[in-house]
Amino acid sequence: EDQVTQSPEALRLQEGESSSLNCSYTVSGLRGLFWYRQDPGKGPEFLFTLYSAGEEKEKERLKATLTKKESFLHITAPKPEDSATYLCAAGGTQGGSEKLVFGKGTKLTVNP
Amino acid sequence: GAVVSQHPSWVICKSGTSVKIECRSLDFQATTMFWYRQFPKQSLMLMATSNEGSKATYEQGVEKDKFLINHASLTLSTLTVTSAHPEDSSFYICSARKAPGLEQFFGPGTRLTVL
Repeated sequence: EDQVTQSPEALRLQEGESSSLNCSYTVSGLRGLFWYRQDPGKGPEFLFTLYSAGEEKEKERLKATLTKKESFLHITAPKPEDSATYLCAAGGTQGGSEKLVFGKGTKLTVNP
Repeated sequence: GAVVSQHPSWVICKSGTSVKIECRSLDFQATTMFWYRQFPKQSLMLMATSNEGSKATYEQGVEKDKFLINHASLTLSTLTVTSAHPEDSSFYICSARKAPGLEQFFGPGTRLTVL
């Protein structure tokens, strides 16, 4: 069964303190690894898609990387507005499904 | 872009009534849409996958007669919660897949409160 596990569950950083969020996955035939940001009371906002090991993508202070077993979301010099829950999801080939398997998320709080 | 809207953003109803939630892809055609439910401080729970012009595929444990899904066009899917009860109170979020990728783009969500 496909699984996605995110760690830590919660992370508190001081403004400017860089860190990384982890997403471990076991998926049959990975077709894509996705990162989303979700603010309280809102739907998830798409951030990145990674397709193959070694791939990296960047957007402002965020950088996502992918290996054969896990993905990292690196946050460089975070600001309070980066506070949110970050969700990781994986899409595989199991049963030809278009479904994504989501992790439980990492709640990031950045203090000023 | 890939913008998905949901309507209404919140709804309060009495127990026993039915509620319809609309999900629209505004700037792309979506052959597949998804409906999720999210409880406080928990992750997304997939309820069903909706394909345009065909019956929805429900996840195990989701009552298809209670949560009616219609995907009548390439830009619109609806979720109707029939005979709603307080335990149906939740945050419902739709998403739309923008082919050919697997990325799903989410709507802003609908907060349902059943009294």
